[in-house]
Amino acid sequence: QVQLQESGPGVVKPAETLSLTCTVSGDSISSYYWSWIRQAAGKGLEWVGRIYPGSSAIYSPSLKSRVTMSVDTPKNQFSLRLTSVTAADTAVYYCARRMVRGVNGDAFDVWGQGTMVTVSP
Amino acid sequence: DIVMTQSPDSLAVSLGERATINCRSSQSLLYSPNNKNYVAWYQQKPRQPPKLLIYWASIREFGVPDRFSGSGSGTDFTLTISSLQAEDVAVYYCQQFYSSPPLFGQGTKLEIK
Repeated sequence: QVQLQESGPGVVKPAETLSLTCTVSGDSISSYYWSWIRQAAGKGLEWVGRIYPGSSAIYSPSLKSRVTMSVDTPKNQFSLRLTSVTAADTAVYYCARRMVRGVNGDAFDVWGQGTMVTVSP
Repeated sequence: DIVMTQSPDSLAVSLGERATINCRSSQSLLYSPNNKNYVAWYQQKPRQPPKLLIYWASIREFGVPDRFSGSGSGTDFTLTISSLQAEDVAVYYCQQFYSSPPLFGQGTKLEIK
């Protein structure tokens, strides 16, 4: 059974770079699409971007200028970098797997527990 | 972008009664070549990640109780809980996966009356 675990600093200073890692266990990272999704307190879900090992990432248009995603296949991990953060980037960040079973599109069947990131001096 | 709008924002239903949540998309989510609607429904309980309930508008994910059902086509979709249980208290989200970016509805908070 595949499991996802987010990790990274819980606090980031304004204007600095947020860096998170998602570790995949129970399956190979190589065969799936992986996304980051965030949720500000009391708010809805915002897709950040997705990546497929060996391919270019696709990012949310609203975050595209500040986001980079990457995959480390030997470590079975993928990562998120978000530059020039502000208080508006404070959120729980989830990593998630795009479902397979013939579904061609970003629906998400496996989620990490989420990690809270606060942007604060 | 395909915008998803849910109604109502919140809902209170008595235990054992039916709960209905609606979702409307700004463009059709019906993909003609396979006749499937690219909409999913998620349940999120407090301090938990979302859980996939329904995909392709009406297909229940493995392990989801059959009191949950999805319906609709084109731009109008519905999530129905046929007999509300206490453990169904949560926020429910619809999401389109027809095109990128995959946007979510704003959520519907379901409570017990």
